[in-house]
Amino acid sequence: DAGVIQSPRHEVTEMGQEVTLRCKPISGHNSLFWYRQTMMRGLELLIYFNNNVPIDDSGMPEDRFSAKMPNASFSTLKIQPSEPRDSAVYFCASSRIGSRRSNQPQHFGDGTRLSIL
Amino acid sequence: DQQVKQNSPSLSVQEGRISILNCDYTNSMFDYFLWYKKYPAEGPTFLISISSIKDKNEDGRFTVFLNKSAKHLSLHIVPSQPGDSAVYFCAASARVQGAQKLVFGQGTRLTINP
Repeated sequence: DAGVIQSPRHEVTEMGQEVTLRCKPISGHNSLFWYRQTMMRGLELLIYFNNNVPIDDSGMPEDRFSAKMPNASFSTLKIQPSEPRDSAVYFCASSRIGSRRSNQPQHFGDGTRLSIL
Repeated sequence: DQQVKQNSPSLSVQEGRISILNCDYTNSMFDYFLWYKKYPAEGPTFLISISSIKDKNEDGRFTVFLNKSAKHLSLHIVPSQPGDSAVYFCAASARVQGAQKLVFGQGTRLTINP
């Protein structure tokens, strides 16, 4: 089975440019999560979706960040305009929504390493 | 405020011995705990989990222990193998609107020496 697929794996761009990161969740999963990993803050949740609907975006750092999930098999995280402090590894994860009796782990993609010059 | 803490940034263990990784949390609303393993240039891989209604969960060489009164969990790997060398993340969640909002620790780098 294919896991969570993220693209691109690496992105280097200049400050001020728009950056779009893409994610394809595992088929059948109905929750999708975007995380950012930095040395200073570790792995932190940015936003998550249930059944394609954004539920909690309290982790999104600024209005420059936006995320969409137009359908069950695709999501994007966009940064516009990008800044050097946005440099990090961005992970996408997906899971099934568990019930009270059945917790479901999140499965992660291999991430996009983003460098803003 | 760090709700999930892994106080040991690194741990070195001899092959064949037991590895014990520790994790503390502060939020008593957390009801589900997970351990992830991460190799360089890859995403975290789910390893094992435990619900707050249990105090132990075992899967092969991996066992997770939960002490709710102390707000502490640990991962035991026995016997340790060279392929276990990786960064291990502890994560905790409280169910929010049907999904789990995970909070991660900073990670512990485990090195297994031959």
